[in-house]
Amino acid sequence: AQTVTQSQPEMSVQEAETVTLSCTYDTSESDYYLFWYKQPPSRQMILVIRQEAYKQQNATENRFSVNFQKAAKSFSLKISDSQLGDAAMYFCAYSGNEKLTFGTGTRLTIIP
Amino acid sequence: DTAVSQTPKYLVTQMGNDKSIKCEQNLGHDTMYWYKQDSKKFLKIMFSYNNKELIINETVPNRFSPKSPDKAHLNLHINSLELGDSAVYFCASSRGGREYYGYTFGSGTRLTVV
Repeated sequence: AQTVTQSQPEMSVQEAETVTLSCTYDTSESDYYLFWYKQPPSRQMILVIRQEAYKQQNATENRFSVNFQKAAKSFSLKISDSQLGDAAMYFCAYSGNEKLTFGTGTRLTIIP
Repeated sequence: DTAVSQTPKYLVTQMGNDKSIKCEQNLGHDTMYWYKQDSKKFLKIMFSYNNKELIINETVPNRFSPKSPDKAHLNLHINSLELGDSAVYFCASSRGGREYYGYTFGSGTRLTVV
């Protein structure tokens, strides 16, 4: 079974600074997808960024980028120029054959 | 135009009652899901339906029964509610299978059992 681990329950960053959230996963599949979802206090689940496992190039979406290390099974999220609106729970997720499996989440606080 | 809509958004009920949560998606997706988010924010899949057929049924008490009248709808019925059922329940949809585009989630239903 696939597992997703987020070892940082909480992180904080100064506004305008850069922060990196960690995620590791375990799988025996070679073809899969990885995601970062954001859940603000409104509780809506918002897709932040996605990565295809067979692509070596790291995905980027504006201020959000990932560091995907397939051999190490690592998928970290970097948020540049942090803004107050980035404050949320961030979930790493793995999509294999059938379902989306989530990590336990990292609560990100932005310090003004 | 809400892509995945759940009703109600909040539900407060007494132990022992039976309640339903409804979900509808207008994305034309083939697969729909129910996830439960507990008090520690952990998200766990409960059920998955593909074109009205149940394809995932995780270890969930049989008091929980999903029903999919068509591929755009997936409802969740809960019998004999218990205190431990209090959680946020999310409906989601996807094109199915290995999902590059991720899932689209509803806004969640916060269920409180008193």
